[in-house]
Amino acid sequence: QKEVEQDPGPLSVPEGAIVSLNCTYSNSAFQYFMWYRQYSRKGPELLMYTYSSGNKEDGRFTAQVDKSSKYISLFIRDSQPSDSATYLCAMSAYNFNKFYFGSGTKLNVKP
Amino acid sequence: DAGVIQSPRHEVTEMGQEVTLRCKPISGHDYLFWYRQTMMRGLELLIYFNNNVPIDDSGMPEDRFSAKMPNASFSNLKIQPSEPRDSAVYFCASSLGQGRDTEAFFGQGTRLTVV
Repeated sequence: QKEVEQDPGPLSVPEGAIVSLNCTYSNSAFQYFMWYRQYSRKGPELLMYTYSSGNKEDGRFTAQVDKSSKYISLFIRDSQPSDSATYLCAMSAYNFNKFYFGSGTKLNVKP
Repeated sequence: DAGVIQSPRHEVTEMGQEVTLRCKPISGHDYLFWYRQTMMRGLELLIYFNNNVPIDDSGMPEDRFSAKMPNASFSNLKIQPSEPRDSAVYFCASSLGQGRDTEAFFGQGTRLTVV
């Protein structure tokens, strides 16, 4: 079993839709949760991070962590064509030095 | 800072040849990571360094793979001999690795094709 599981998609939505992206994990030691966005033929870029359980909002993006269920989510409101990319979740334990990535979900927002 | 710099951007080589991928981390970052990304397996950590010392190489798939970091501003990943199944995008990333606000900054990647 992989440490981090993520549905690869692809996920196709119309512009303006609310998008929900999710990951599950197995290691209860994970405390630091990240979402990276990767455009085609580019390296991943950090989008959001959260520490432990709870929600964090940044503009149209909300990251949610439920440690009891070992489940994290990224919500995108009012999705735009420019949001079309692959979204990877990542996590690490207390030392923050080793990041475990999901396989990524490819999102396509249609104009 | 120009960010993490990788070279070459693309590499096409024949099976059996040696391949060398290069990385210049962000100045001041003391952690460096090598990842491999494929459609089938996603982003896999191969090895990471702290202060130029290899800390965890458990992700290196075989003895054909080796990585070095001779100084704080350079690392390379070598594959010898290369095989078609090594075809992937190889990313280098660096981070400060300290505290809750750290993040890994990725380079643009090297797309390797072994024919």
